[in-house]
Amino acid sequence: IQMTQSPASVSASVGDRLTITCRASQGVSGYLGWFQQRPGKAPELLIYGASNLQSGVPSRFSASGSGTDFTLTISSLQPEDFATYFCLQVNTFPLTFGGGTKVQMK
Amino acid sequence: EVQLVESGGGLVKPGGSLRLSCAASGFTFRTYTMQWLRQAPGKGLEWLASISSVSTYIYYADSVKGRFTVSRDNADDSLFLEMNTLRADDTAVYYCARVRNDYGDYPEYWGQGTLVTVSS
Repeated sequence: IQMTQSPASVSASVGDRLTITCRASQGVSGYLGWFQQRPGKAPELLIYGASNLQSGVPSRFSASGSGTDFTLTISSLQPEDFATYFCLQVNTFPLTFGGGTKVQMK
Repeated sequence: EVQLVESGGGLVKPGGSLRLSCAASGFTFRTYTMQWLRQAPGKGLEWLASISSVSTYIYYADSVKGRFTVSRDNADDSLFLEMNTLRADDTAVYYCARVRNDYGDYPEYWGQGTLVTVSS
């Protein structure tokens, strides 16, 4: 299953509302996760089951979708949110990641 | 506190072999599915392999199937990745991860990674 993320990169400012999309080449039901990766660090799980917030993740992060189309929204960007975001489908082996979305400061 | 510590990375020549280890602590290792993932320099993430709690189910990415072998020692809280016939495009940071035990095999906790460089 191919996972396509868009945009590949985006420039934004603190306080902006940001939406990232992830599209699967075939349906993955609700088995979709989102990860944040800061430079030089391991990825961190933000969202599992398409819309469930991982423990400890701020409520400004939200996500939705099912089947083939998914979105991750950050309601008000904070300085620590400038990072790269990846989606991952866990519906079918082999598990596959999207190519990533780099969120940069404008 | 869940901790995962990878080791065994380094420089290896094309065609060579390497064995990565992942030492787990802070949770009941024998009850969790574990994974190996990697990230080539400046690239995205790639899932490599999953092994269920008692090694009943093992899955591999096509890119490593037949060359890499995942295993675990539940008595020693350790996960392993045996890598053979290494190629330049296997150069990456390799992560071990513990999955959530519900809602699907999401890598929930990650180690800090170990760098494998394949070069002559």
